[in-house]
Amino acid sequence: SQQGEEDPQALSIQEGENATMNCSYKTSINNLQWYRQNSGRGLVHLILIRSNEREKHSGRLRVTLDTSKKSSSLLITASRAADTASYFCATDARAGANSKLTFGKGITLSVRP
Amino acid sequence: SQTIHQWPATLVQPVGSPLSLECTVEGTSNPNLYWYRQAAGRGLQLLFYSIGIDQISSEVPQNLSASRPQDRQFILSSKKLLLSDSGFYLCAWSRLAGGLSDEQFFGPGTRLTVL
Repeated sequence: SQQGEEDPQALSIQEGENATMNCSYKTSINNLQWYRQNSGRGLVHLILIRSNEREKHSGRLRVTLDTSKKSSSLLITASRAADTASYFCATDARAGANSKLTFGKGITLSVRP
Repeated sequence: SQTIHQWPATLVQPVGSPLSLECTVEGTSNPNLYWYRQAAGRGLQLLFYSIGIDQISSEVPQNLSASRPQDRQFILSSKKLLLSDSGFYLCAWSRLAGGLSDEQFFGPGTRLTVL
């Protein structure tokens, strides 16, 4: 079953607005990561937040993690047309030393100029 | 700096033909290596991972195999392609010390169409 599930599946906003994307997961994790994928390209790592962290910032990105609710959110502030892409959360299921990342299905973000 | 290469970028193959996709990493040593498949509009499915030369783990039973003949080379193969093998194949690496759930760095991908 999918460990990380993003919400909404698709999001369309106007340039300059903020974009909020959510990810929920089922089991305890070591960390949660957000990736970005432009159409037809590989994924690019955006940010990693560990289970003992609640919030992290990187430029216009803000990630929160609520382990009690098993959820995370990615906020992109002052969005730009170039932010148009698919965004994925990835979690590890803490299944021992060989815990691996499980990716969600992704959120398609469209930023209208 | 580290870079990851995949080739070919696109490939169209008939059903029943063999497959060989190659991935190489530069600028790092002893990386963890991964092969993922992404179906249209879907998330990533981990196919294989490797923590060292000739150390390959398969995540799902399938028509594909992987090999790691050199430290920074990862190859995805098939003897006979199926229609269901079509998809976008992504290679990735992560630092060995970080473990398999560390930050991953992805290649540009190979678009495979099986007809």
